[in-house]
Amino acid sequence: DGGITQSPKYLFRKEGQNVTLSCEQNLNHDAMYWYRQDPGQGLRLIYYSQIVNDFQKGDIAEGYSVSREKKESFPLTVTSAQKNPTAFYLCASSGLGARGYGYTFGSGTRLTVV
Amino acid sequence: QKEVEQNSGPLSVPEGAIASLNCTYSDRGSQSFFWYRQYSGKSPELIMFIYSNGDKEDGRFTAQLNKASQYVSLLIRDSQPSDSATYLCAVTSLTSNTGNQFYFGTGTSLTVIP
Repeated sequence: DGGITQSPKYLFRKEGQNVTLSCEQNLNHDAMYWYRQDPGQGLRLIYYSQIVNDFQKGDIAEGYSVSREKKESFPLTVTSAQKNPTAFYLCASSGLGARGYGYTFGSGTRLTVV
Repeated sequence: QKEVEQNSGPLSVPEGAIASLNCTYSDRGSQSFFWYRQYSGKSPELIMFIYSNGDKEDGRFTAQLNKASQYVSLLIRDSQPSDSATYLCAVTSLTSNTGNQFYFGTGTSLTVIP
């Protein structure tokens, strides 16, 4: 079955530590996205990529980094520079087209600072 | 800043009633409109999309779009307790450098009372 897989489901980060969230899709989608969701708030865009080896900052990129070495993979690193990383992280993918396509979301990673 | 506004609720309706969820958007260039359902602790799932003015029906769901008023709504007929969730409105605006980027509202929490 085609889909988008995020791992791990739960992640605990110590102060000053970098952690990497995995996102893999087998939908042959060109575009991939990382969002952050805080309780009672909407989705905020961290980074997005429309093509391999290229990505763009979203609205809240500070303290995060990404790579897009393969079409299927778009990992997100939460660095120690991100001071408040506790949140629900969602990866999404979509095709590109004139009208836009709905996103397909992964199941999410819940990150907690301990 | 492109904005998507939703009434955060909570909206409560009795089982079997019609639930009406509303969304307004600021960018007149918006082309595609989506409704996602998000259960607590889960990732959003696409339930409806609409591109043209008017109504679009899919089972118990009807999406309504009025581009002149910059307004999109979702009607849920014969509401069921399983419809209790947060509903996210999403809008796409195609630009040369953001491609398929979506803009999300903060969501409306719906509770269907048995």
